[in-house]
Amino acid sequence: ETGVTQTPRHLVMGMTNKKSLKCEQHLGHNAMYWYKQSAKKPLELMFVYSLEERVENNSVPSRFSPECPNSSHLFLHLHTLQPEDSALYLCASSQDGASGRVYNEQFFGPGTRLTVL
Amino acid sequence: GQNIDQPTEMTATEGAIVQINCTYQTSGFNGLFWYQQHAGEAPTFLSYNVLDGLEEKGRFSSFLSRSKGYSYLLLKELQMKDSASYLCAVGDSNYQLIWGAGTKLIIKP
Repeated sequence: ETGVTQTPRHLVMGMTNKKSLKCEQHLGHNAMYWYKQSAKKPLELMFVYSLEERVENNSVPSRFSPECPNSSHLFLHLHTLQPEDSALYLCASSQDGASGRVYNEQFFGPGTRLTVL
Repeated sequence: GQNIDQPTEMTATEGAIVQINCTYQTSGFNGLFWYQQHAGEAPTFLSYNVLDGLEEKGRFSSFLSRSKGYSYLLLKELQMKDSASYLCAVGDSNYQLIWGAGTKLIIKP
């Protein structure tokens, strides 16, 4: 595997389900990100892990819970989602010089297309 | 608040030149990125500007004016494969990327 991979690519879930999205980067980067992409809207940054320090966006509902067990893996745990959470969820990684600082380009995974029924 | 503005959609002809503009208002500035995103695919990096002026990379060039809060992406010799969305993003004072909604570029033969 090369670059940034995400699984699953597509996910359909009910509002009462619990599921997890997985991201893995094979680039040796030290920062990883979760974004939400809805049609015709800007990318919304959800969570950042940089140098193993989590930077959280306070506007993200608690039904989204990130986990970063090491610098190569990132998870997004989902529970009791709403239909408006249906979107493309993108994971990205970059090589940063210090905690939370964006010095270089971000490399994106192909995304998980999530549909909440 | 922080804001990135770009046109929603543009149409151009194969072989022509197109300029996609981006204006921004952010708390601080730590560089401006352009990304390309084909439908159903991940965004991919095109360019990064942190100083004023023009950066050229093959058929693509990116310009920045920090005093005007303005950038453009110039695409020359357009090809059908250039049909995609082009995303402008600015690094703010917290080194977080603020993204525009993207410009969908349609190339016609």
